[in-house]
Amino acid sequence: QPVLTQPSSHSASSGASVRLTCMLSSGFSVGDFWIRWYQQKPGNPPRYLLYYHSDSDKGQGSGVPSRFSGSNDASANAGILRISGLQPEDEADYYCGTWHSNSETPWVFGGGTKLTVL
Amino acid sequence: QVQLVESGGGVVQPGRSLRLSCAASGFSFSTYGMHWVRQAPGKGLEWVAVIWHDETNKYYADSVKGRFTISRDTSKNTLYLQMNTLRADDTAVYYCARGGRVTEGHLDCWGQGTLVTVSS
Repeated sequence: QPVLTQPSSHSASSGASVRLTCMLSSGFSVGDFWIRWYQQKPGNPPRYLLYYHSDSDKGQGSGVPSRFSGSNDASANAGILRISGLQPEDEADYYCGTWHSNSETPWVFGGGTKLTVL
Repeated sequence: QVQLVESGGGVVQPGRSLRLSCAASGFSFSTYGMHWVRQAPGKGLEWVAVIWHDETNKYYADSVKGRFTISRDTSKNTLYLQMNTLRADDTAVYYCARGGRVTEGHLDCWGQGTLVTVSS
């Protein structure tokens, strides 16, 4: 079944743009998956941000600012969460997730990336 | 607005059972699939189970298959997770999350979670 790999941590300065990656294991193509992204701050449940499958099939969560966007990097076989104009309140853990119906465990999450805003 | 409220968590001994509930409001519960996701202390998210809106499909994580059962009562707008033969590594905050109308959905709304501690 697919495995999603995320860097454990990432840091960037306030006002900068960041790309958080979610790499799909070999044998699977990121273009075949719907990658979802979630934000979790300490002591709070995850918050759904968006999903990305293709430029014509993507969606933003309710109330999620447009500076959060999704894409794919086919060369890296990875889903990408881009955050532009980084703000201090963006400091959080970010998780990707996807569904693969043919797997024994059909839904998988990545291990999460802790984003620090400097 | 959409609201999901989990309950039923607590401290339980290894090998015992517990049933979690998730009360849903603010949306048409009967038309959405629903998920359970857990998070061990200091760890990442682990998906547990999903039930389709019409109960035609139920899927489980390998780690809980055969021990946990997901169900729903549309008349009460409530989702359940029956957890049997609990183990120490089941200790986690358990969240319910809304799925999709036809497929698995995006887990676009989450409850606040309920803590389950398995300890003797």
